[in-house]
Amino acid sequence: GAVVSQHPSRVICKSGTSVKIECRSLDFQATTMFWYRQFPKQSLMLMATSNEGSKATYEQGVEKDKFLINHASLTLSTLTVTSAHPEDSSFYICSARDLVDSNEKLFFGSGTQLSVL
Amino acid sequence: KQEVTQIPAALSVPEGENLVLNCSFTDSAIYNLQWFRQDPGKGLTSLLLIQSSQREQTSGRLNASLDKSSGRSTLYIAASQPGDSATYLCAVIGNQFYFGTGTSLTVIP
Repeated sequence: GAVVSQHPSRVICKSGTSVKIECRSLDFQATTMFWYRQFPKQSLMLMATSNEGSKATYEQGVEKDKFLINHASLTLSTLTVTSAHPEDSSFYICSARDLVDSNEKLFFGSGTQLSVL
Repeated sequence: KQEVTQIPAALSVPEGENLVLNCSFTDSAIYNLQWFRQDPGKGLTSLLLIQSSQREQTSGRLNASLDKSSGRSTLYIAASQPGDSATYLCAVIGNQFYFGTGTSLTVIP
């Protein structure tokens, strides 16, 4: 089946630094990738929809200048948490939709646990 | 706006029991519905995808049903095992993806 690779799986950083998270579709092309955030014991929250070659669409309440999304190719989307603060500590997950899969099935990365000290 | 609710929020059953997880959604204009499981600190694993034209899908001990008109889906797990312990999420796929609140399942050996 289709595989989505997310890297890194865990990152610890100091407050004020920026962190980049990569999401790659390994064996399929994805014009659309999604970024989610999950707080402990809560459901996933869609942060933004990343479209290859165009600007990402952010959900209400998500700061686009803080969470920079770049989708430069059909197999790679990146999320950069800029000037991270402890409240940004969370579990971030990406997902991708196979371009040629008419079932619209989502494939998920393994997630990134971000801890900001 | 689509709202997706899962009941119960938590469930604990002895090993071997059959169980049903429920997912309800407010807007029936959906393309698909997908069930996932999430283990602590891990990403999501897709279990079953039901297209809007389908009524159910089966995979091993899992059976998922979809009733668009009533805005409901169920995930049936037969002969539960301790390894089934996880959080189960349903996602409704329309113009966007909307996740349910999740059901935390514990199967007691």
